[in-house]
Amino acid sequence: GESVGLHLPTLSVQEGDNSIINCAYSNSASDYFIWYKQESGKGPQFIIDIRSNMDKRQGQRVTVLLNKTVKHLSLQIAATQPGDSAVYFCAENIVAGAGSYQLTFGKGTKLSVIP
Amino acid sequence: DADVTQTPRNRITKTGKRIMLECSQTKGHDRMYWYRQDPGLGLRLIYYSFDVKDINKGEISDGYSVSRQAQAKFSLSLESAIPNQTALYFCATSDASRREQFFGPGTRLTVL
Repeated sequence: GESVGLHLPTLSVQEGDNSIINCAYSNSASDYFIWYKQESGKGPQFIIDIRSNMDKRQGQRVTVLLNKTVKHLSLQIAATQPGDSAVYFCAENIVAGAGSYQLTFGKGTKLSVIP
Repeated sequence: DADVTQTPRNRITKTGKRIMLECSQTKGHDRMYWYRQDPGLGLRLIYYSFDVKDINKGEISDGYSVSRQAQAKFSLSLESAIPNQTALYFCATSDASRREQFFGPGTRLTVL
């Protein structure tokens, strides 16, 4: 079946550097993507989303890039801080039926920020 | 997200016991979901509900049942718990007009 996956399961970054977390998806019908951040002991927290009619979207210190040609999604975090240490999940949103949608999650990448 | 609460936060039980996990939300969302999280497997959908009269199976519904008691409440039951149901369980909600889902803090369930 089609799935969402991540290229790197762990990523260590020096504080102040930029982080790039990658995600591959294989469902060409997906038209909406979300990045979530999950800190230890907490539920996933929404970071940023992007629709398939966009290539790039920026938030506060974060940018999501979407390359539909190669079915690749990335999350860029500028000036990474210790508080950014967490597991990051990408999720693709697919139509499950008339008016309904489901999220399919990748396995996650653990980001560790080195002080 | 404080708007989505789950009880209990931690539970240890024995094989064969019946367990209920509860979820409440104050966000006013119609749609609610139950996910299971296992190390290395990400989040997998168990059941979802788009309103109080709607219940749908997700990817891994076997061994689970749900009840949507009200718009704000969605409970997950394990009728006869087994050790491979040891996992983190998350409830989530979403508004019908948006696809973003909001997650609760999770319940850590251990089945011995």
